[in-house]
Amino acid sequence: EPEVTQTPSHQVTQMGQEVILRCVPISNHLYFYWYRQILGQKVEFLVSFYNNEISEKSEIFDDQFSVERPDGSNFTLKIRSTKLEDSAMYFCASSERATRRAETQYFGPGTRLLVL
Amino acid sequence: AQSVAQPEDQVNVAEGNPLTVKCTYSVSGNPYLFWYVQYPNRGLQFLLKYITGDNLVKGSYGFEAEFNKSQTSFHLKKPSALVSDSALYFCAVRDGISSGSARQLTFGSGTQLTVLP
Repeated sequence: EPEVTQTPSHQVTQMGQEVILRCVPISNHLYFYWYRQILGQKVEFLVSFYNNEISEKSEIFDDQFSVERPDGSNFTLKIRSTKLEDSAMYFCASSERATRRAETQYFGPGTRLLVL
Repeated sequence: AQSVAQPEDQVNVAEGNPLTVKCTYSVSGNPYLFWYVQYPNRGLQFLLKYITGDNLVKGSYGFEAEFNKSQTSFHLKKPSALVSDSALYFCAVRDGISSGSARQLTFGSGTQLTVLP
């Protein structure tokens, strides 16, 4: 069964450093998403991406964040200058088509980011 | 704005007994409702969804959920719990209005289900 994959599984970085989190969505999916989950808290929406542009973004997704689909398979989340409060589990998700029935978002295993 | 409430942080049930994990929601239009399960150090696994149609939705691993529009609820149920069902369960909602491209899911805070042998 196709799955969303994410790399790395864990990343430790120093405050102020740039990090890039990588995702490979399910191959025939057209919508891509990033969510995050701070330890012990809710899963929060960051951004959605369709047709090579951002569809929606939350208040969390400020100028420090960017997303890109650099080729036909990868979807990346970049944090330009990490802060301590960026420490969280970051989930990538994808969904199949822009139709009502195909609304299920399938999630990857996550990247645990720790900012020191 | 859409929101989800999971009123119980923790649910304990004996193996073989029925289980219920509660969820209530608030959206502007018709709701699309989802249940996901998270095992330790794992991602979110899709269990089931309600888009339209029958109020009782069946999903993976013997789980089902009942959509109740008047009570704005979407409780997750299973007739006979297994120890392996122990995990963190998240209810999620998105507004089903057709305008715009809004597809973000709003998640509840999660309910830790523990099934005791």
